[in-house]
Amino acid sequence: GAGVSQSPRYKVTKRGQDVALRCDPISGHVSLYWYRQALGQGPEFLTYFNYEAQQDKSGLPNDRFSAERPEGSISTLTIQRTEQRDSAMYRCASSISTLGNSPLHFGNGTRLTVT
Amino acid sequence: SQKIEQNSEALNIQEGKTATLTCNYTNYSPAYLQWYRQDPGRGPVFLLLIRENEKEKRKERLKVTFDTTLKQSLFHITASQPADSATYLCAPVYSSASKIIFGSGTRLSIRP
Repeated sequence: GAGVSQSPRYKVTKRGQDVALRCDPISGHVSLYWYRQALGQGPEFLTYFNYEAQQDKSGLPNDRFSAERPEGSISTLTIQRTEQRDSAMYRCASSISTLGNSPLHFGNGTRLTVT
Repeated sequence: SQKIEQNSEALNIQEGKTATLTCNYTNYSPAYLQWYRQDPGRGPVFLLLIRENEKEKRKERLKVTFDTTLKQSLFHITASQPADSATYLCAPVYSSASKIIFGSGTRLSIRP
Protein backbone atom coordinates (compact mmCIF):
# COMPACT_ATOMS: atom_id res chain seq x y z
CA GLY A 1 0.00 0.00 0.00
CA ALA A 2 0.94 3.65 -0.10
CA GLY A 3 3.45 4.94 2.38
CA VAL A 4 3.55 8.26 4.20
CA SER A 5 3.16 11.06 1.70
CA GLN A 6 4.50 14.56 2.25
CA SER A 7 3.93 17.59 0.09
CA PRO A 8 5.40 19.63 -1.32
CA ARG A 9 8.66 17.80 -1.78
CA TYR A 10 10.54 21.09 -2.05
CA LYS A 11 9.46 24.53 -0.95
CA VAL A 12 11.35 27.75 -1.50
CA THR A 13 9.88 30.79 0.17
CA LYS A 14 10.91 34.30 1.00
CA ARG A 15 11.60 35.38 4.53
CA GLY A 16 8.44 36.57 6.25
CA GLN A 17 6.05 34.37 4.27
CA ASP A 18 3.92 31.66 5.85
CA VAL A 19 4.26 28.05 4.71
CA ALA A 20 2.11 24.97 5.23
CA LEU A 21 3.61 21.51 5.00
CA ARG A 22 1.30 18.58 4.54
CA CYS A 23 1.55 14.98 5.73
CA ASP A 24 -0.73 12.16 4.64
CA PRO A 25 -0.05 9.16 6.89
CA ILE A 26 -0.50 5.51 6.08
CA SER A 27 -4.21 4.69 6.16
CA GLY A 28 -5.25 3.51 9.60
CA HIS A 29 -2.18 4.82 11.39
CA VAL A 30 -3.22 6.59 14.55
CA SER A 31 0.00 8.28 15.64
CA LEU A 32 1.65 10.99 13.59
CA TYR A 33 4.95 12.69 14.29
CA TRP A 34 6.71 15.75 12.90
CA TYR A 35 10.49 16.03 12.95
CA ARG A 36 13.03 18.47 11.60
CA GLN A 37 16.36 17.18 10.38
CA ALA A 38 19.54 19.08 9.68
CA LEU A 39 22.24 17.59 7.48
CA GLY A 40 24.29 15.03 9.39
CA GLN A 41 21.98 15.05 12.40
CA GLY A 42 19.25 12.78 13.64
CA PRO A 43 15.59 13.80 13.39
CA GLU A 44 14.72 16.48 15.93
CA PHE A 45 11.30 15.98 17.54
CA LEU A 46 8.77 18.76 16.97
CA THR A 47 5.33 17.45 17.91
CA TYR A 48 3.10 14.40 17.75
CA PHE A 49 -0.55 13.41 17.63
CA ASN A 50 -2.53 10.39 18.70
CA TYR A 51 -5.62 10.46 16.53
CA GLU A 52 -6.58 14.13 16.38
CA ALA A 53 -5.20 15.05 19.79
CA GLN A 54 -1.85 16.81 19.95
CA GLN A 55 -0.02 14.94 22.70
CA ASP A 56 3.23 16.84 22.94
CA LYS A 57 4.36 20.03 21.23
CA SER A 58 7.40 20.64 23.36
CA GLY A 59 9.72 20.42 20.37
CA LEU A 60 8.16 23.26 18.42
CA PRO A 61 10.90 25.94 18.41
CA ASN A 62 8.65 28.94 19.02
CA ASP A 63 5.12 30.18 18.54
CA ARG A 64 5.58 30.68 14.81
CA PHE A 65 5.30 26.90 14.49
CA SER A 66 1.99 25.11 14.83
CA ALA A 67 0.51 21.80 13.76
CA GLU A 68 -2.93 20.33 13.45
CA ARG A 69 -4.57 17.04 12.59
CA PRO A 70 -8.25 17.91 12.76
CA GLU A 71 -9.74 14.59 11.62
CA GLY A 72 -7.07 12.28 12.88
CA SER A 73 -5.63 11.67 9.44
CA ILE A 74 -3.87 14.35 7.37
CA SER A 75 -1.71 16.77 9.32
CA THR A 76 -0.40 20.23 8.50
CA LEU A 77 2.66 21.87 9.98
CA THR A 78 2.48 25.64 9.59
CA ILE A 79 5.36 28.04 9.96
CA GLN A 80 4.41 31.70 10.09
CA ARG A 81 6.71 34.59 9.21
CA THR A 82 9.46 32.24 8.08
CA GLU A 83 13.08 32.99 8.88
CA GLN A 84 16.24 31.71 7.23
CA ARG A 85 16.99 29.54 10.25
CA ASP A 86 13.78 27.60 9.51
CA SER A 87 15.44 26.11 6.41
CA ALA A 88 15.67 22.36 6.93
CA MET A 89 14.22 19.00 5.97
CA TYR A 90 10.86 18.48 7.65
CA ARG A 91 9.87 14.84 8.09
CA CYS A 92 6.59 13.27 9.01
CA ALA A 93 6.16 9.75 10.35
CA SER A 94 3.18 7.64 11.28
CA SER A 95 2.64 4.58 13.42
CA ILE A 96 -0.17 2.05 13.51
CA SER A 97 -0.38 2.20 17.28
CA THR A 98 0.05 4.68 20.09
CA LEU A 99 2.33 2.25 21.88
CA GLY A 100 6.06 2.82 22.01
CA ASN A 101 6.77 -0.62 20.61
CA SER A 102 5.24 0.31 17.29
CA PRO A 103 7.70 1.40 14.58
CA LEU A 104 7.54 4.71 12.79
CA HIS A 105 7.13 4.87 9.02
CA PHE A 106 8.68 8.00 7.53
CA GLY A 107 7.79 10.02 4.48
CA ASN A 108 10.40 11.40 2.11
CA GLY A 109 10.22 14.81 3.72
CA THR A 110 9.75 18.40 2.61
CA ARG A 111 12.92 20.38 1.98
CA LEU A 112 12.19 23.96 3.04
CA THR A 113 14.46 26.77 1.92
CA VAL A 114 13.85 30.28 3.20
CA THR A 115 15.62 32.95 1.18
CA SER B 1 15.98 15.67 30.55
CA GLN B 2 17.01 12.46 28.84
CA LYS B 3 20.10 12.49 26.65
CA ILE B 4 20.93 10.04 23.90
CA GLU B 5 24.48 9.64 22.70
CA GLN B 6 25.66 7.79 19.63
CA ASN B 7 29.20 7.62 18.23
CA SER B 8 29.50 11.01 16.60
CA GLU B 9 32.38 9.99 14.38
CA ALA B 10 31.85 7.84 11.32
CA LEU B 11 32.72 4.18 11.61
CA ASN B 12 34.75 2.70 8.75
CA ILE B 13 35.27 -1.03 8.62
CA GLN B 14 36.34 -3.71 6.21
CA GLU B 15 33.75 -5.81 4.44
CA GLY B 16 33.10 -9.09 6.21
CA LYS B 17 33.91 -7.76 9.69
CA THR B 18 31.34 -7.12 12.41
CA ALA B 19 30.25 -3.52 12.83
CA THR B 20 29.27 -2.45 16.34
CA LEU B 21 27.42 0.80 16.99
CA THR B 22 26.71 2.25 20.42
CA CYS B 23 23.72 4.06 21.86
CA ASN B 24 24.05 5.45 25.39
CA TYR B 25 21.26 7.04 27.37
CA THR B 26 21.09 8.89 30.67
CA ASN B 27 18.86 8.59 33.72
CA TYR B 28 16.25 5.88 33.73
CA SER B 29 15.98 3.04 31.25
CA PRO B 30 13.61 3.22 28.32
CA ALA B 31 10.84 0.67 28.03
CA TYR B 32 11.84 0.04 24.42
CA LEU B 33 14.70 0.94 22.18
CA GLN B 34 14.24 1.17 18.43
CA TRP B 35 16.96 1.13 15.78
CA TYR B 36 16.61 2.68 12.33
CA ARG B 37 18.67 2.90 9.17
CA GLN B 38 18.81 6.07 7.10
CA ASP B 39 20.23 6.34 3.60
CA PRO B 40 21.21 9.74 2.13
CA GLY B 41 18.18 11.72 1.00
CA ARG B 42 15.71 9.22 2.45
CA GLY B 43 13.67 8.94 5.62
CA PRO B 44 14.73 6.55 8.39
CA VAL B 45 13.60 2.94 8.07
CA PHE B 46 12.81 0.79 11.10
CA LEU B 47 15.09 -2.21 11.69
CA LEU B 48 14.67 -3.68 15.16
CA LEU B 49 13.11 -3.06 18.54
CA ILE B 50 14.32 -4.41 21.88
CA ARG B 51 12.37 -4.28 25.12
CA GLU B 52 13.75 -3.37 28.52
CA ASN B 53 13.45 -6.95 29.77
CA GLU B 54 15.24 -8.43 26.74
CA LYS B 55 18.99 -8.82 26.72
CA GLU B 56 19.35 -9.51 23.02
CA LYS B 57 17.34 -9.49 19.80
CA ARG B 58 18.39 -10.89 16.42
CA LYS B 59 17.22 -10.48 12.85
CA GLU B 60 19.29 -12.11 10.13
CA ARG B 61 22.76 -10.46 10.32
CA LEU B 62 21.59 -7.87 12.85
CA LYS B 63 21.82 -8.17 16.61
CA VAL B 64 20.82 -5.65 19.25
CA THR B 65 21.69 -5.87 22.93
CA PHE B 66 20.33 -3.85 25.83
CA ASP B 67 22.29 -3.42 29.04
CA THR B 68 20.29 -1.47 31.61
CA THR B 69 23.23 -1.46 34.03
CA LEU B 70 25.51 0.25 31.55
CA LYS B 71 22.59 2.29 30.14
CA GLN B 72 23.61 1.20 26.70
CA SER B 73 22.39 -0.57 23.60
CA LEU B 74 24.75 -2.08 21.06
CA PHE B 75 23.82 -2.69 17.44
CA HIS B 76 25.87 -5.30 15.58
CA ILE B 77 25.99 -6.13 11.89
CA THR B 78 27.83 -9.37 11.25
CA ALA B 79 29.47 -10.26 7.92
CA SER B 80 29.13 -6.61 6.92
CA GLN B 81 28.67 -5.66 3.27
CA PRO B 82 29.13 -2.37 1.40
CA ALA B 83 25.32 -2.23 1.08
CA ASP B 84 25.15 -1.87 4.87
CA SER B 85 26.76 1.58 4.56
CA ALA B 86 24.27 4.09 5.96
CA THR B 87 23.52 6.14 9.06
CA TYR B 88 22.07 4.18 11.96
CA LEU B 89 19.83 5.88 14.51
CA CYS B 90 18.68 4.72 17.91
CA ALA B 91 15.44 5.88 19.48
CA PRO B 92 14.71 5.09 23.13
CA VAL B 93 11.03 5.10 24.07
CA TYR B 94 10.47 5.72 27.76
CA SER B 95 6.87 4.64 28.01
CA SER B 96 3.90 3.87 25.86
CA ALA B 97 2.72 7.41 26.42
CA SER B 98 5.95 9.18 25.55
CA LYS B 99 7.25 10.71 22.39
CA ILE B 100 9.88 8.99 20.24
CA ILE B 101 13.13 10.91 20.10
CA PHE B 102 16.26 10.03 18.15
CA GLY B 103 19.97 10.07 18.71
CA SER B 104 22.19 11.96 16.30
CA GLY B 105 23.07 8.77 14.43
CA THR B 106 26.31 7.05 13.49
CA ARG B 107 27.47 6.95 9.89
CA LEU B 108 28.79 3.52 8.95
CA SER B 109 30.95 2.90 5.89
CA ILE B 110 31.86 -0.60 4.80
CA ARG B 111 34.78 -0.73 2.40
CA PRO B 112 35.13 -3.62 -0.04
